[in-house]
Amino acid sequence: QVQLQESGPGLVKPSETLSLTCTVSGASISSYHWSWIRQTPGKGLEWIGYIYNIDHSSNSGSTEYNPSLRSRATISIDTSKSQFSLQLASVTAADTAMYYCARDRASTRFDFWGQGTLVAVSS
Amino acid sequence: EVVLTQSPGTLSLSPGERATLSCRASQSVNTYLAWYHQKPGQAPRLLIYGASDRATGIPDRFSGSGSGTDFTLTISRLEPEDFGMFYCQQYGGSPRTFGQGTKVEVK
Repeated sequence: QVQLQESGPGLVKPSETLSLTCTVSGASISSYHWSWIRQTPGKGLEWIGYIYNIDHSSNSGSTEYNPSLRSRATISIDTSKSQFSLQLASVTAADTAMYYCARDRASTRFDFWGQGTLVAVSS
Repeated sequence: EVVLTQSPGTLSLSPGERATLSCRASQSVNTYLAWYHQKPGQAPRLLIYGASDRATGIPDRFSGSGSGTDFTLTISRLEPEDFGMFYCQQYGGSPRTFGQGTKVEVK
């Protein structure tokens, strides 16, 4: 069974960088695409971005992001640890949300999700 | 970006009843549409993709239909575990977007 687990700080200060990691088990991280999605009461569910075409040997992949994040997001991968990560720079209170990682079926649907991690942006 | 509008906002039904949820796209997404179910405190769960294909392990009381801009999720007979929020998501345009959700609550 595919499982994903988010981890990272639950509180980030304004203007700093939010950093989260998703650990994948039950599936080869090199064989699929992987996304980050967030959810707020006000804006609902928002796709942040994904990493795909993962190269195990170079520990890298291609990425694509939601333009709404104005280039603040960066997704990276560590195939040796079966993890992928999200960094979101220059955060504000508007970035307070539940953050989910998910398996992304070739830029279509999201078929397995982590349980989510709540991140608050506050001084 | 493609805007998805779900209706109604809330559906009040009893177990055993039929639920019909709507999702309308601001432009055609062909059949590139998925549906998810979310219970309080849990992540969304994929129900339907390709507008009408059930995901693995999803019971056949869930069915999806539609193409272009108008889509429907039908739950033939509501079970107690079916209540909660339902979201549509499109992948016919970039970026991928979600609807604002329909809450199915116990009447």
